[in-house]
Amino acid sequence: EAGVAQSPRYKIIEKRQSVAFWCNPISGHATLYWYQQILGQGPKLLIQFQNNGVVDDSQLPKDRFSAERLKGVDSTLKIQPAKLEDSAVYLCASSLGDRDQETQYFGPGTRLLVL
Amino acid sequence: DQQVKQNSPSLSVQEGRISILNCDYTNSMFDYFLWYKKYPAEGPTFLISISSIKDKNEDGRFTVFLNKSAKHLSLHIVPSQPGDSAVYFCAASGETSGSRLTFGEGTQLTVNP
Repeated sequence: EAGVAQSPRYKIIEKRQSVAFWCNPISGHATLYWYQQILGQGPKLLIQFQNNGVVDDSQLPKDRFSAERLKGVDSTLKIQPAKLEDSAVYLCASSLGDRDQETQYFGPGTRLLVL
Repeated sequence: DQQVKQNSPSLSVQEGRISILNCDYTNSMFDYFLWYKKYPAEGPTFLISISSIKDKNEDGRFTVFLNKSAKHLSLHIVPSQPGDSAVYFCAASGETSGSRLTFGEGTQLTVNP
């Protein structure tokens, strides 16, 4: 079974530029999550999708971050414009989505450096 | 407000000995707890979980203990192996948060040969 795929793996941009990350979840997984992991901290949920609807985006900085999951499969996360403090690893995870207490499977992440 | 805390940033043990990783939480609504392991340049991988209706769950060399009254859980690895060297994250979820996971800061475990 293929895991969660993410691209790019690394990205370096200058502040005020825009950047986009892509995620392809495990086939058949209805729920998709985007997490931000700052160095030395645990992952923090940014947004959760159930199919193509948003379930939880309470911790997403909506003035600069946006995400979509068209057709309920792949997802993109965008930052526009980027700030220095956005430097982090952005992790995508997916789960079956048929109950609350279920395992989330993570992709390898995209490491973003904002200069 | 750090609802899940791992107070030890690092832990070093000898191969063959027991590794004990600790985690504390403050939110009494949490009822499901997980441990994830993370190698460098990879995403976290699920290790073991426990529901609040239990106080112990075992899977091979890995055992998780939950003390609800103390709001504390621990992960025991016996015997520890060099391949267990990784960052271990404790995570929790609850009724009011649905499937949203709240993670601790992580503990870097190093198992020395």
